[in-house]
Amino acid sequence: AQKITQTQPGMFVQEKEAVTLDCTYDTSDQSYGLFWYKQPSSGEMIFLIYQGSYDEQNATEGRYSLNFQKARKSANLVISASQLGDSAMYFCAMREGRATGTALIFGKGTTLSVSS
Amino acid sequence: DTGVSQDPRHKITKRGQNVTFRCDPISEHNRLYWYRQTLGQGPEFLTYFQNEAQLEKSRLLSDRFSAERPKGSFSTLEIQRTEQGDSAMYLCASSYVPSGKNIQYFGAGTRLSVL
Repeated sequence: AQKITQTQPGMFVQEKEAVTLDCTYDTSDQSYGLFWYKQPSSGEMIFLIYQGSYDEQNATEGRYSLNFQKARKSANLVISASQLGDSAMYFCAMREGRATGTALIFGKGTTLSVSS
Repeated sequence: DTGVSQDPRHKITKRGQNVTFRCDPISEHNRLYWYRQTLGQGPEFLTYFQNEAQLEKSRLLSDRFSAERPKGSFSTLEIQRTEQGDSAMYLCASSYVPSGKNIQYFGAGTRLSVL
């Protein structure tokens, strides 16, 4: 079974609109971290936002917020007021609370296209 | 504070040749990771170092792959006898532990094409 599922291969939004990118995860660990990264066509993975499994508040970073629903095992990324520069691939990732190893497990990504 | 630097950005090689990539992490980051990303997929973990010690290797890291991090600073990833299936983006990331979040910051990657 996939650990990270991103069901939207592509999303289209107009400038200044809000958009939600979906992510569901699967883990039996109680302690884990959830991450979102942005990958423009240049290739670099840019860290956007982090949510710890014990964090009671949803994480926010500027125009990015993470809608964390622990019981549903979902960690959706909300981008408010989309900009043309937001067009990129977005990856959801998880770090499980294992005793050894801190590898990130990534989903397959969602391509976001922002139009004017 | 400069970010993670990878060199080269692009590498084209012929099947059977050896290639080596370099990664310079963010200064003072004690953990360094290598990932591989193929077209249309998310990155997949290959290996990571804490300082100079290689602590974990994934099953993706075949015997033809070797990674080093001498002196706990920069790292190299070598692929021997390259195969066409090795064509991918190789991403390096670094993080600082014991930061609780242990956020991994990535470089721009090295794109390998094996002809």
